[in-house]
Amino acid sequence: GQQVMQIPQYQHVQEGEDFTTYCNSSTTLSNIQWYKQRPGGHPVFLIQLVKSGEVKKQKRLTFQFGEAKKNSSLHITATQTTDVGTYFCAGPTGGYQKVTFGTGTKLQVIP
Amino acid sequence: DAGITQSPRHKVTETGTPVTLRCHQTENHRYMYWYRQDPGHGLRLIHYSYGVKDTDKGEVSDGYSVSRSKTEDFLLTLESATSSQTSVYFCATGTSQPDTQYFGPGTRLTVL
Repeated sequence: GQQVMQIPQYQHVQEGEDFTTYCNSSTTLSNIQWYKQRPGGHPVFLIQLVKSGEVKKQKRLTFQFGEAKKNSSLHITATQTTDVGTYFCAGPTGGYQKVTFGTGTKLQVIP
Repeated sequence: DAGITQSPRHKVTETGTPVTLRCHQTENHRYMYWYRQDPGHGLRLIHYSYGVKDTDKGEVSDGYSVSRSKTEDFLLTLESATSSQTSVYFCATGTSQPDTQYFGPGTRLTVL
């Protein structure tokens, strides 16, 4: 079945440093979604990318969808302690709005 | 966030006992899902529903059953709980416009 992998699994950064997580799918995706889960919380939808090569920005967060629509990245510029959490990508799987979630990247920001 | 509640929020039970977790939504979303989250495994789909009384299995459905008798309620039942089912369980709803999922606050289940 479809597999969605993310790297790295964990990342510790000093506050103010940049951070990037990468998402790779075993199959071509019609879209890619990104979610953030704060410690002790639930996943919250951040954004959806649909077009090949698409780039979207949300303040300090930049999301990219690869040209082949099999990979994606999330880049955070100048991290802040509020960025702490686990970031998941997710790709559609077999209809009914189902998605397969990536393994997640846990970000820790050191003040 | 969408109006999704889960009950109970925490539960400790013993091996072999039945357990039912409830998910309630007020958004009238068609699709509903149950996930479990375990360290190193991310979010894995247990069962999902695409309408009232319409359900199907996800990737880790063994030992679980679900029911959806009303649009707003989706129940997850562990017929005979095992220690391997100790986990955090999230309910989610899905929409097609936009194509996103909305999560409930989660239920932490411990099976002793």
